[in-house]
Amino acid sequence: EIVLTQSPATLSLSPGERATLSCRTSQSVSTYLAWYQQRPGQAPRLLIYDASTRATGIPARFSGSGSGTDFTLTITSLEPEDFAVYYCQQRINWPPWTFGQGTKVE
Amino acid sequence: QVQLVQSGAEVKKPGASVKVSCKASGYTFTDHYMHWVRQAPGQGLEWMGYTNPNSGGTYYAHKFQGRVTMTMDTSTTTAYMELSRLTSDDTAIYYCVRDLNVLMKIGDRPLYYFDYWGQGILVTVSS
Repeated sequence: EIVLTQSPATLSLSPGERATLSCRTSQSVSTYLAWYQQRPGQAPRLLIYDASTRATGIPARFSGSGSGTDFTLTITSLEPEDFAVYYCQQRINWPPWTFGQGTKVE
Repeated sequence: QVQLVQSGAEVKKPGASVKVSCKASGYTFTDHYMHWVRQAPGQGLEWMGYTNPNSGGTYYAHKFQGRVTMTMDTSTTTAYMELSRLTSDDTAIYYCVRDLNVLMKIGDRPLYYFDYWGQGILVTVSS
């Protein structure tokens, strides 16, 4: 099973600042990686898939990069609604499709 | 708009079974695989399995095999997930989740990215 390690666990920032979130995988997943946002009390929302493709309706301030084992989610200028927990998820080859443990942006 | 509306919260005793539903609307039900993902209180996300809406074929994560059954009723556009032999470790929010890929032809596979999520159902297992 591929393990995804997200860092930092918590990121303390202010609105308007830039957020940089990291996800490392225990083996290469090529670019088969997604990012999700989960606001308190809500279901997760797909932000990015295939490492860098924004999902439908996702603002341009969200961007993803990386390949192999190292990935980054960048939020260029934090809006109040961006304070949430972010998860990465891999989908290479066989299941289970695993998630990271999350980064909380507060 | 796409909506996945799940049934209400459940409280079960250890050893019991639970069956939860997920009513889909706003898209062609047979165009997307349906997955189930759960989240224990204060914890991360765990993928459980999926169903092919056209064949009814399923694939379950190893840890749930023998204990979970996922189905899709195309006549009512409703997906179901039944989990048996419940323990306290099964206390979690259970989400039905639509696969991103649009199935264009026979043999198309899911992408295993999840673009729409139900609101979640809290299943509590307690004696």
